[in-house]
Amino acid sequence: NAGVTQTPKFRILKIGQSMTLQCTQDMNHNYMYWYRQDPGMGLKLIYYSVGAGITDKGEVPNGYNVSRSTTEDFPLRLELAAPSQTSVYFCASNYGMNTEAFFGQGTRLTVV
Amino acid sequence: GENVEQHPSTLSVQEGDSAVIKCTYSDSASNYFPWYKQELGKRPQLIIDIRSNVGEKKDQRIAVTLNKTAKHFSLHITETQPEDSAVYFCAASYGTGNQFYFGTGTSLTVIP
Repeated sequence: NAGVTQTPKFRILKIGQSMTLQCTQDMNHNYMYWYRQDPGMGLKLIYYSVGAGITDKGEVPNGYNVSRSTTEDFPLRLELAAPSQTSVYFCASNYGMNTEAFFGQGTRLTVV
Repeated sequence: GENVEQHPSTLSVQEGDSAVIKCTYSDSASNYFPWYKQELGKRPQLIIDIRSNVGEKKDQRIAVTLNKTAKHFSLHITETQPEDSAVYFCAASYGTGNQFYFGTGTSLTVIP
């Protein structure tokens, strides 16, 4: 099992550009999440999904979009990148309620 | 939504001493409380968790206590070692989406 895999690991975007952060898991997990981590601020929930075809907003969804067409994949789309979106992004997944969440290795995004 | 507060933000202890990190949560519906350890540049990894029907759980040098009435839970690390140095995050799981809401983290330094 590879677990949760994110690509790319690093990316520099110019203001106004768009990109998709990829996340895939091979553990047949129902729940998937996107978090952003800013220094000293912990992890903030952007979007989450309880299964294929179902997504919902978290604490900080503005400027992002997601889709969940399969159980395995949960891409995060940034439209019109802004400097405020400079952060480390983590994808995570778990099987069911009240179970351990497994994290990907993170994507460090810089918007200049 | 849920609000998780974590204290202290930094903690330094001598090797062999104990470390205690405390968290409070706001929503009484939260029922799962994991603790994650994050080393520099790495992904968060679960070290221990506790469910709402349990008051205390121990795993070797690590223990977690939960007080549902007061809505707070704590991480206890005994006989600290230099490899315990990392950032520790508490979280509370809330809602039908099993969303995890994280504290802002505690940077623990164990001084040899």
